Amino acid sequence: ETGVTQSPTHLIKTRGQQVTLRCSSQSGHNTVSWYQQALGQGPQFIFQYYREEENGRGNFPPRFSGLQFPNYSSELNVNALELDDSALYLCASSLDNWRAEAGELFFGEGSRLTVL
Amino acid sequence: GNSVTQMEGPVTLSEEAFLTINCTYTATGYPSLFWYVQYPGEGLQLLLKATKADDKGSNKGFEATYRKETTSFHLEKGSVQVSDSAVYFCALITQGAQKLVFGQGTRLTINP
Repeated sequence: ETGVTQSPTHLIKTRGQQVTLRCSSQSGHNTVSWYQQALGQGPQFIFQYYREEENGRGNFPPRFSGLQFPNYSSELNVNALELDDSALYLCASSLDNWRAEAGELFFGEGSRLTVL
Repeated sequence: GNSVTQMEGPVTLSEEAFLTINCTYTATGYPSLFWYVQYPGEGLQLLLKATKADDKGSNKGFEATYRKETTSFHLEKGSVQVSDSAVYFCALITQGAQKLVFGQGTRLTINP
């Protein structure tokens, strides 16, 4: 069984640039959530996708956007990068929306973004 | 809003010592409570969970009891090992919500 995989693992961008992070969900999982984990902090919820539709959003500005594809993989896009966007971005998949609401999430290792 | 507060870290213990990591929460309704663990170089993993008051979650020798009266979910282990060194996160989710709310994490180091 393949777990949640994320790419790239590390990347460096400059302020104002745009970035795309990718996530392959665990086999059979149709729900993907994205979290931002700043250094020394707990993860914060960005948004969730269920069957290709956004299904909930945290307190992040519109320059954070996402997609989910028919194979349930997902992308997180961040436009107009700011220094404070430097963080570990975590993707988590769930077997279905109901299990996501029960907190049954499987996390990837994350993509570490540094904005200079 | 909902929030989780964990004891300040880092925590350093000797092998076979008793571990407690405190966690308290504020939430509307009746949340489910979780402990997640992040080992070095790995993703977050669910360690244990409890879904209602007085439930005890347990896994790998770790335990935590859902205490509604004190809004707490403290993590305990009777005898820690070097392999338990990791960052531990307490978290909650409320019914019908899509998001886990995490505490700030507690880094645990176990020395041989």
